[in-house]
Amino acid sequence: KNEVEQSPQNLTAQEGEFITINCSYSVGISALHWLQQHPGGGIVSLFMLSSGKKKHGRLIATINIQEKHSSLHITASHPRDSAVYICAVGGNQFYFGTGTSLTVIP
Amino acid sequence: DAGVIQSPRHEVTEMGQEVTLRCKPISGHNSLFWYRQTMMRGLELLIYFNNNVPIDDSGMPEDRFSAKMPNASFSTLKIQPSEPRDSAVYFCASSLDVGEQYFGPGTRLTVT
Repeated sequence: KNEVEQSPQNLTAQEGEFITINCSYSVGISALHWLQQHPGGGIVSLFMLSSGKKKHGRLIATINIQEKHSSLHITASHPRDSAVYICAVGGNQFYFGTGTSLTVIP
Repeated sequence: DAGVIQSPRHEVTEMGQEVTLRCKPISGHNSLFWYRQTMMRGLELLIYFNNNVPIDDSGMPEDRFSAKMPNASFSTLKIQPSEPRDSAVYFCASSLDVGEQYFGPGTRLTVT
């Protein structure tokens, strides 16, 4: 059983669509991270959450500690949002989801 | 700030050789992380340091792997002897305490 489950694994959207990527985890954590990995391979940390909600530009991340669930939302999606989005949780150990591959079509 | 610096960016070596990967964290950050990414296993945390002290090395695959952080501005990950299954992209990241992590560009290692 994976400690971190992401869905969907793959997602194709039209430019402008609202996108949601989900992350569920089964371990106790101190923080949850959303990472973005572009086709070139570089990794950028988008958010680090321990509760509530954070917003950065068109990106919104929420976490529900009781339900052990987080969502990453992208509003008004754009082709440059095409990337792999990875959920990671940390506490005593650090666990990664397998990633969601997003393709936004013009 | 130049961000997290990793070297080399690419390394091709033969099985059995020693490989040393290097990382310079962002100045002022006191936590440093080494990750490995493969197609099969995705991203994995190998080891992390806080204030130059290894805190959790449970992700280090075996004794062939070792990591050091002799000072706040430099860390190495060494594989000796290297094996083909060590081929992966190795990322270093740094943060201030347990805050947001900043990733380096990675080192792509190929062991033939």
